[in-house]
Amino acid sequence: QKEVEQNSGPLSVPEGAIASLNCTYSDRGSQSFFWYRQYSGKSPELIMSIYSNGDKEDGRFTAQLNKASQYVSLLIRDSQPSDSATYLCAVIKAAGNKLTFGGGTRVLVKP
Amino acid sequence: DTGVSQDPRHKITKRGQNVTFRCDPISEHNRLYWYRQTLGQGPEFLTYFQNEAQLEKSRLLSDRFSAERPKGSFSTLEIQRTEQGDSAMYLCASSSSFSLPQHFGDGTRLSIL
Repeated sequence: QKEVEQNSGPLSVPEGAIASLNCTYSDRGSQSFFWYRQYSGKSPELIMSIYSNGDKEDGRFTAQLNKASQYVSLLIRDSQPSDSATYLCAVIKAAGNKLTFGGGTRVLVKP
Repeated sequence: DTGVSQDPRHKITKRGQNVTFRCDPISEHNRLYWYRQTLGQGPEFLTYFQNEAQLEKSRLLSDRFSAERPKGSFSTLEIQRTEQGDSAMYLCASSSSFSLPQHFGDGTRLSIL
C-alpha cells in the first residue's frame, strides 16, 4: 500500500462543473495536508493547505479533511479549461518534515 | 519575496559525467528540501536542511549524490558519475517551519545521454 494514494485519472469534467478529487493516506498521525497543482513540464504550485478536520475554502477551491477516515479531498467549483493539470496530494507525517506525495490526479476540463 | 530560484533549468550531459545544481530559497526560509520527480510520478523526497545542517537523507540518495548548504542560504546538489536512471526533474523547495507549506522552484530537468 502506498503512503498517499490518488486516482491517476484522467478526470474529465465539462467547463463550469465541479471537479472532485480524492486522496487517502496511511499514516494516522499525519498532521499537515496540501494540494499542489502541476502543469505539464512545470513545478508544483501550492493551491491549498489544511490542518484540521472539516472544510477550508479559498476562492473556487475547497479542501476537506477527515482524519478519522484518513481522507482528504479537493473540490474545484466552476471548473475552467485553465484548471486542466495534475493535482498532487501531499502530507507531512507525524514528527516529520518532508512531504510525501501521491501520484497525482490528472484533470481535463473540456470547453 | 522573489520565490525559490533554481539553476540551471535544463541540463543535458553524458553518462558518467558529474553535474551540480543550485537552489536559492526564499530569503526568510530556513528549511530547504530537495525532491526528485520522474514522469508520471509525484515528487520523491531526497534530503532536507535546516539552516546549514543536513538533517535527513532519503535512501534514494545514493553515494553518488551529495548536497550542501554551507552558509544556510543557497544549496547545491551534486550527482557524480551520472547514470541513465538519474534522468528526472530535480525540485528544490523551502519553508519557514516544519508544518507550513513548502514552496517549489521551477526545477532542473536533467537528461542523461
